Amino acid sequence: GQSLEQPSEVTAVEGAIVQINCTYQTSGFYGLSWYQQHDGGAPTFLSYNALDGLEETGRFSSFLSRSDSYGYLLLQELQMKDSASYFCAVKDTDKLIFGTGTRLQVFP
Amino acid sequence: DSGVTQTPKHLITATGQRVTLRCSPRSGDLSVYWYQQSLDQGLQFLIQYYNGEERAKGNILERFSAQQFPDLHSELNLSSLELGDSALYFCASSPPGGGGASYNEQFFGPGTRLTVL
Repeated sequence: GQSLEQPSEVTAVEGAIVQINCTYQTSGFYGLSWYQQHDGGAPTFLSYNALDGLEETGRFSSFLSRSDSYGYLLLQELQMKDSASYFCAVKDTDKLIFGTGTRLQVFP
Repeated sequence: DSGVTQTPKHLITATGQRVTLRCSPRSGDLSVYWYQQSLDQGLQFLIQYYNGEERAKGNILERFSAQQFPDLHSELNLSSLELGDSALYFCASSPPGGGGASYNEQFFGPGTRLTVL
């Protein structure tokens, strides 16, 4: 079967750093993506890793270890607007298999 | 605004009925994906079309069907609706084949919230 595991909830304060982990077990693997979704909104793309290592995009970074079937999203200098759900997703040929999501709450 | 449009925004209907959800992808995108998101759940992949042809199928019920038209818009048809079909339905599109992060990004529409009473 295919499964992606993420923590259900993470809390942090403004200005802090938070890491959201994702472990996956899928039949096909063409890369790991991260999406952000605010309540009532559409998912928006944050990052994509096809190869092992760290990808940095502003305050957000994403890491992948294919040998460990593991990745994480690192959010730095947290802001209140970062409060949202974050989904990892494995690319299997063209389709995306999403994790159940991690709800991040940022407190002042 | 992702450039992907979905109509209607909200839909309320009764069990046993049939509804059609519509999606227009971003200009230039050939792939359309449909996802279902139930309350506090992740996104479940339903089906993908590429330039009018079915490309991949996920956990789509037999009561559900989809198609992509020559102008690349897509419709998701849900029939014999059940209470459990109440969910947010998202459509997403992605650019034609290539490489790198931009190729792997999917652009999501605002979704259609379906409520089955």
